[in-house]
Amino acid sequence: EVQLVESGGGLVQPGESLRLSCAASGFTMSRYWMYWVRQPPGKGLVWVSRSNKDGSSTTHADSVKGRFTMSRDNAKNTVYLQMNSLRVEDTAVYYCGRGGSWGSIDYWGQGSLITVSS
Amino acid sequence: IVLTQSPGTVSVSPGERATLSCRASQRVSGTHLTWYQQKPGQAPRLLIYSASNRATGIPDRFSGSGSETDFTLIISRLEPEDSAVYYCQHYGSSPEVTFGPGTKVDIK
Repeated sequence: EVQLVESGGGLVQPGESLRLSCAASGFTMSRYWMYWVRQPPGKGLVWVSRSNKDGSSTTHADSVKGRFTMSRDNAKNTVYLQMNSLRVEDTAVYYCGRGGSWGSIDYWGQGSLITVSS
Repeated sequence: IVLTQSPGTVSVSPGERATLSCRASQRVSGTHLTWYQQKPGQAPRLLIYSASNRATGIPDRFSGSGSETDFTLIISRLEPEDSAVYYCQHYGSSPEVTFGPGTKVDIK
């Protein structure tokens, strides 16, 4: 059974840093692209980052470029999202997802809430 | 690419059909058009990929179609469990991944 479990969320102050982890199981993570998608409270889904299979290529949304970095450790079946210089507007539930066919995300984690507030 | 979904909310009775629209601001490849379902407090679930292909385990009550700028998700024979927000998503460039704002389906 495919499972994605995020961890590392919590309450932080503006300007601080946080690292999210997503532990994958039930599949060989090195064979898949992986994504981070966030959802502000009461709002829609917003793409954050994408990593190719070996982590050699990552892309980030303009809103987080230069502040967030996605990485992965295929040996540990884990993807990460390093978030620096956090802003109030980064408050959201952060989901990791497995890349599926034709640009879809076929499996999602349960999400991790990050609240940025002073 | 900007995706616009309509209506914002649709209210339908069990057994009826709901038609959800996703419109792209410019021509896109239907190959990279995806639909998700999200119920309150849950993660999104993949429904349809490549505009018309049902994901594993998705009942045939869900069907997708469309091309270029206009895509449609039809939910036939609505059941109470279909109450959710439905998002379309495109994979492309600038930005790489775009989601629509969602359509909420309420079951009367």
